[in-house]
Amino acid sequence: DIVMTQTPLSLSVTPGQPASISCKSSQSLLHSDGKTYLYWYLQKPGQSPQLLIYEVSNRFSGVPDRFSGSGSGTDFTLKISRVEAEDVGVYYCMQSIQLPYSFGQGTKLEIK
Amino acid sequence: EVQLVESGGVVVQPGGSLRLSCAASGFTFDDYTMHWVRQAPGKGLEWVSLISWDGGSTYYADSVKGRFTISRDNSKNSLYLQMNSLRTEDTALYYCAKGSSVVPAAPIDYWGQGTLVTVSS
Repeated sequence: DIVMTQTPLSLSVTPGQPASISCKSSQSLLHSDGKTYLYWYLQKPGQSPQLLIYEVSNRFSGVPDRFSGSGSGTDFTLKISRVEAEDVGVYYCMQSIQLPYSFGQGTKLEIK
Repeated sequence: EVQLVESGGVVVQPGGSLRLSCAASGFTFDDYTMHWVRQAPGKGLEWVSLISWDGGSTYYADSVKGRFTISRDNSKNSLYLQMNSLRTEDTALYYCAKGSSVVPAAPIDYWGQGTLVTVSS
């Protein structure tokens, strides 16, 4: 099974400052079809998860452009260029290249 | 607007059974893979199961394989999860979730609000 490891597990950021979350997979997420099956989700307090980024770097519909994803193979990063109060919550990476699909442990973002 | 509404979560004793349902609307249900994902209280997300658009293919997490069965009724725009031999570690909020295409590996793009299953004596 593929293990997804996120760091840090928590971070506290001043509004307007950048934030970065790392996600490492135990196997490459690059498929033979050329796609990399790595996604990022945000679960705001008391809400269901919402899709932010798909296939490493593509923002889902309605996601602000302050969110960006990058990486390849086994190492991936989610960046928030300027954190806003509404960005608080837990961020998860997820892989779907191999069953069973798996999530990272989650990274809790708080505002200073 | 995509809507996924789960139901069926209750308190059940260890060893018991339960059937969760998910009513889908706002999209062409039989065009998409569907998933169940769960979240134990205060914990992270755990993928549980998926079913192909036509119900012909199903997959499960090792933790539920042989005990849970996913199914769908495309004529009713509904997704189901039959849960047998329940254990205390199955206690969680169960989310119904929509894949973004017919391809099983496509990302989950919409989630329901979840239904709470509590396994306790």
